[in-house]
Amino acid sequence: EDKVVQSPLSLVVHEGDTVTLNCSYEVTNFRSLLWYKQEKKAPTFLFMLTSSGIEKKSGRLSSILDKKELFSILNITATQTGDSAIYLCAVEALGASGTYKYIFGTGTRLKVLA
Amino acid sequence: NAGVTQTPKFQVLKTGQSMTLQCAQDMNHNSMYWYRQDPGMGLRLIYYSASEGTTDKGEVPNGYNVSRLNKREFSLRLESAAPSQTSVYFCASGGSGNTIYFGEGSWLTVV
Repeated sequence: EDKVVQSPLSLVVHEGDTVTLNCSYEVTNFRSLLWYKQEKKAPTFLFMLTSSGIEKKSGRLSSILDKKELFSILNITATQTGDSAIYLCAVEALGASGTYKYIFGTGTRLKVLA
Repeated sequence: NAGVTQTPKFQVLKTGQSMTLQCAQDMNHNSMYWYRQDPGMGLRLIYYSASEGTTDKGEVPNGYNVSRLNKREFSLRLESAAPSQTSVYFCASGGSGNTIYFGEGSWLTVV
């Protein structure tokens, strides 16, 4: 059975701290891993990772994938209150009928205190 | 720039009633998805459709049916709603190997 596990489930930090969010997976025929940020409504896209060891970076956020150990991390440096959100990890994997689907983890709820 | 549009945004149903959630995308994507989100459970895949005319079960398909009406539209039907189906429902679409884009969500309460 396909599985995506995120840790920690929740995290409270102070502004300026650095956080690392984890995502591990066990799926059939991995194709890509995606990170999303969810505030009040729909998740918004952050990164898509397909190759091991290549860091993707956007401002204070960065992410990297390890396809050998089957995990990814999302780093946020110098956190701000606006970073407070649920961070979701999704893995694109082959479904039973030979088509691809996206399986999500439970998410990490991050709260940044002023 | 509509992207993915879901209707209705809010709905209250009585146990046993039926309803259909509508979803349309204007990005010419082949794949469309329905997820439900419950507290502490992340997004769970209900059904998905890799192309017009095909549908596949996800992680939690029981109690739901879907129709891929054409390339743009993918509807989710609850035939006999149960309180356990109280949730937020998200429709999403994406091209193969690309990111997926979400609608704004539909808040459903079954009493």
